Amino acid sequence: NAGVTQTPKFQVLKTGQSMTLQCAQDMNHNSMYWYRQDPGMGLRLIYYSASEGTTDKGEVPNGYNVSRLNKREFSLRLESAAPSQTSVYFCASSEYRGRSNEKLFFGSGTQLSVL
Amino acid sequence: GESVGLHLPTLSVQEGDNSIINCAYSNSASDYFIWYKQESGKGPQFIIDIRSNMDKRQGQRVTVLLNKTVKHLSLQIAATQPGDSAVYFCAESGSARQLTFGSGTQLTVLP
Repeated sequence: NAGVTQTPKFQVLKTGQSMTLQCAQDMNHNSMYWYRQDPGMGLRLIYYSASEGTTDKGEVPNGYNVSRLNKREFSLRLESAAPSQTSVYFCASSEYRGRSNEKLFFGSGTQLSVL
Repeated sequence: GESVGLHLPTLSVQEGDNSIINCAYSNSASDYFIWYKQESGKGPQFIIDIRSNMDKRQGQRVTVLLNKTVKHLSLQIAATQPGDSAVYFCAESGSARQLTFGSGTQLTVLP
């Protein structure tokens, strides 16, 4: 029962470095999401992919890019990391094509620190 | 824009007591509500959801109540156990908007 798997679990970057966060789900879900979680704040949507081949911006997309590689995988890329991107990143998936009224299944998160 | 908030950032309850965690929302067009539990170092875990055509829904030891008149949502946990200690988030969506999450309530279960 893997569900949603994220790699890496921890990462430290220097300002200006780039990296890609990987996410894969094995539930045959159509939609996938990237959220960030900052202390004292709720989860904020960065990007989502309602179905394979589509991506859309969420609430806080600046500084990020995404790729829906196939139905299983959805990656998040930081081209030039900034300290403001220090956060915990969560990937999630849901069954239907971007319907807003259904539950999301989350991965265990990536703790990212940008120095 | 809409907001989703919680009345209290922390809540402490005695083991065995019932817990009530509250949530307010501001968008009258919201039609789907959901509660998540997040333990330290883990991702959010689905607890229960409710649609706007209902005012109450029960799960195993949990009940969600929805009052659309005052835009209020609550999560009740019966016979709270140490394993219930976590941060609880409410979230809402509607009109093709993606889920908007509240900032969370830290529930601590006292022995």
